[in-house]
Amino acid sequence: ELKVEQNPLFLSMQEGKNYTIYCNYSTTSDRLYWYRQDPGKSLESLFVLLSNGAVKQEGRLMASLDTKARLSTLHITAAVHDLSATYFCAGVYSGGGADGLTFGKGTHLIIQP
Amino acid sequence: EPEVTQTPSHQVTQMGQEVILRCVPISNHLYFYWYRQILGQKVEFLVSFYNNEISEKSEIFDDQFSVERPDGSNFTLKIRSTKLEDSAMYFCASNIGLARETQYFGPGTRLLVL
Repeated sequence: ELKVEQNPLFLSMQEGKNYTIYCNYSTTSDRLYWYRQDPGKSLESLFVLLSNGAVKQEGRLMASLDTKARLSTLHITAAVHDLSATYFCAGVYSGGGADGLTFGKGTHLIIQP
Repeated sequence: EPEVTQTPSHQVTQMGQEVILRCVPISNHLYFYWYRQILGQKVEFLVSFYNNEISEKSEIFDDQFSVERPDGSNFTLKIRSTKLEDSAMYFCASNIGLARETQYFGPGTRLLVL
């Protein structure tokens, strides 16, 4: 059974600072996803990481995957208030497109001016 | 841009009643999913659906739950006899069918069981 753990679960940071959210998973995960959720809203896809060493960047967010360490990171550069949200990582076990995602508990990120 | 839609946005029901949650996945997508999120908690997988049958289901998806694609566009989740603990946000998602692609989530239906 795949288990996904994120840390920290809560993070308050100032604008302009850098920080990293960590996502560990327990067994082989074919793919690693990052989603963003604003309060009361749905999940917005940020990144899909497919292979060891994969790195993807969008604006101030950069995600990476180390399958040997079973670790993915979401790095925030020069944070701005608009990035305040809950960030979830999710893994999937076994191949194919029909597999359900296993989510971490989420990192609730607050960015203060 | 195509998106997953869900109806209703909110539903209040009495314990023991049946509810049907509706979803319209993105039109060229082949894989469909239901997830739930109890308030303040993580998102939990319920079931995946492909080629008109269940592909995978979690332990949460017991005999009280069923899914259907009745008309080629809608994808429904039925809860036969709701319990208080079924109160949650239910998300539908779809995927085009390529492993490298993401799952796109709908806006959710907030279900409250009284």
